[in-house]
Amino acid sequence: KQEVTQIPAALSVPEGENLVLNCSFTDSAIYNLQWFRQDPGKGLTSLLLIQSSQREQTSGRLNASLDKSSGRSTLYIAASQPGDSATYLCAASLVGLVFGKGTKLTVNP
Amino acid sequence: SAVISQKPSRDICQRGTSLTIQCQVDSQVTMMFWYRQQPGQSLTLIATANQGSEATYESGFVIDKFPISRPNLTFSTLTVSNMSPEDSSIYLCSVVPGGGSYNEQFFGPGTRLTVL
Repeated sequence: KQEVTQIPAALSVPEGENLVLNCSFTDSAIYNLQWFRQDPGKGLTSLLLIQSSQREQTSGRLNASLDKSSGRSTLYIAASQPGDSATYLCAASLVGLVFGKGTKLTVNP
Repeated sequence: SAVISQKPSRDICQRGTSLTIQCQVDSQVTMMFWYRQQPGQSLTLIATANQGSEATYESGFVIDKFPISRPNLTFSTLTVSNMSPEDSSIYLCSVVPGGGSYNEQFFGPGTRLTVL
């Protein structure tokens, strides 16, 4: 059974800092790995999708990497802003998605 | 991408009653999923609802409790039956435009259910 773990559970940083969120999964037989952000009271916003054959994907200030063999993915956020404050979820795709518990990020002005 | 709407956005229900949640997509999609997010927890897959076939339920979820309909390629419903306070959660539908498990999954805004 696939299990997804995210570290740290919470992170507080000053504005402008670069940061890394970590995600690990137990079963490397995944189709892809997807990163989302969830804002309080709102649904999920898809940030990045990394196919199982890919090593990384970039979108603006976000960069996600995938190492299937070690069961790890990281989300790098450059020059963090207060608007980045949210809970970040990673999810491994088999048929549906298996989610981690998320990292709650607070960026302080 | 896809634009997904859910109804109702929130509801407060009495124990023992049932609630049907609707999920509407702005384009035809083959693959649709239902998830639950219990308070303080992450999302858990309830079932896969593909048009033209019976829904496939994950371990711990049964059809009698969570019946699903998928009458066409743009619409699905999830019913939460004989509710108890433990069913208080956010229920979300998601779709994979273009089909295939390799593609990006998009989520609706969720239905926040409180059972008294």
